[in-house]
Amino acid sequence: DIQMTQSPSSLSASVGDRVTITCRASQSIGEWLAWYQDKPGKAPRLLIYKASNLQGGVPSRFTGSGSGTEFTLTISGLQPDDFATYFCQQYETYPLTFGGGTKVDIK
Amino acid sequence: QVQLVQSGAEVKKPGTSVKLSCKASGFTFTGFTMHWVRQAPGRRFEWMGWINPGDGKTRYSQKFQGRVTISTDTSASTAYMEVTSLTSEDTATYYCARALGLYSSLFDYWGQGTLLPVSS
Repeated sequence: DIQMTQSPSSLSASVGDRVTITCRASQSIGEWLAWYQDKPGKAPRLLIYKASNLQGGVPSRFTGSGSGTEFTLTISGLQPDDFATYFCQQYETYPLTFGGGTKVDIK
Repeated sequence: QVQLVQSGAEVKKPGTSVKLSCKASGFTFTGFTMHWVRQAPGRRFEWMGWINPGDGKTRYSQKFQGRVTISTDTSASTAYMEVTSLTSEDTATYYCARALGLYSSLFDYWGQGTLLPVSS
């Protein structure tokens, strides 16, 4: 199975900050990577697919980049609604696998 | 609007089975692959398998092959997942999720989750 390693596991930031989260795959997955936002009591929300494509309705402050084994999610200008957990998912190979998540909380 | 409403929490004993449901509304059920994913306490999400409601085709994670069965009732727009031979390791919240389309492995809508504690 492809292992997905996210870093950091948590971070503290302020409104307006630029935040970067990294996801590393144990083998190359091309660009077959997605990012989700997860909040307590709510369903996860798809943000980014195919490494850098913004899902409809997602604000442009979310950007994704990378290919192969290293990927990043950047939030430019953190908003109060962005405090949440973010996780990556590879969909290059079955079984689909997920990162362990990065919790973004208020500094 | 798209909704996936899952069955309520269950408490099960080791060695027993459970069948979870996921009722869909707001879209053409047969037009989208339906996945099942679980999350144990403090652990990452774990993909279990999918089904195409239109043709009944399924695919499972090898980890769960033989112990998990995913099915649908298209007349009721409902997906089911049965898990047998439960152990404490199966304690988790189980989610159904709609894929972006047929055979897609991206999830755009999720159910609210079904909590499944397995304990003697």
